[in-house]
Amino acid sequence: AQKITQTQPGMFVQEKEAVTLDCTYDTSDQSYGLFWYKQPSSGEMIFLIYQGSYDEQNATEGRYSLNFQKARKSANLVISASQLGDSAMYFCAMREGRSGSRLTFGEGTQLTVNP
Amino acid sequence: KAGVTQTPRYLIKTRGQQVTLSCSPISGHRSVSWYQQTPGQGLQFLFEYFSETQRNKGNFPGRFSGRQFSNSRSEMNVSTLELGDSALYLCASSLSLAQETQYFGPGTRLLVL
Repeated sequence: AQKITQTQPGMFVQEKEAVTLDCTYDTSDQSYGLFWYKQPSSGEMIFLIYQGSYDEQNATEGRYSLNFQKARKSANLVISASQLGDSAMYFCAMREGRSGSRLTFGEGTQLTVNP
Repeated sequence: KAGVTQTPRYLIKTRGQQVTLSCSPISGHRSVSWYQQTPGQGLQFLFEYFSETQRNKGNFPGRFSGRQFSNSRSEMNVSTLELGDSALYLCASSLSLAQETQYFGPGTRLLVL
């Protein structure tokens, strides 16, 4: 079974608008972490935001926020006020408590910001 | 503080050869992980090193190996290269094996002909 599911292969958004990228996960661990990374065409994975399974509040980092719904096992990324430079591939990833630093990634969502 | 560095950035090899990729973690980071990214399989975990010991290994054949040095720098080696080994190889570092964020390097693009 897929541990991380990103159902949107591609998304389009107008500059300055907000966009939500979906991510659902599957784990039996009580302790886990959820991450979002951005990968521009250059290839480097850029860390955006982290949410721990025991964190009660949704994580925020500047224009990025993570909508964490534990009961539904979803961890959606919200980007506010999209910029042209936000055009990239976005990956949701999970680290399970028993797996050390090992990350399991989803298939990614290609976001295109239109001017 | 300098980020994760990987060398070389690009590499072209032929089938049957071997290759060594290098990764220098962020200063002070002791955990290094390696991932393979291909269009068909996505991002897959290769292995993880901490304090010069392999702590975790993904589902890859024995042709893929790695090591970590006392300064936390890491190398991965792929022997007897196959066409399917063509990929972007990403290295990530974190402070420890605990619940820490991993920071990635720019990757090494390997093309096997």
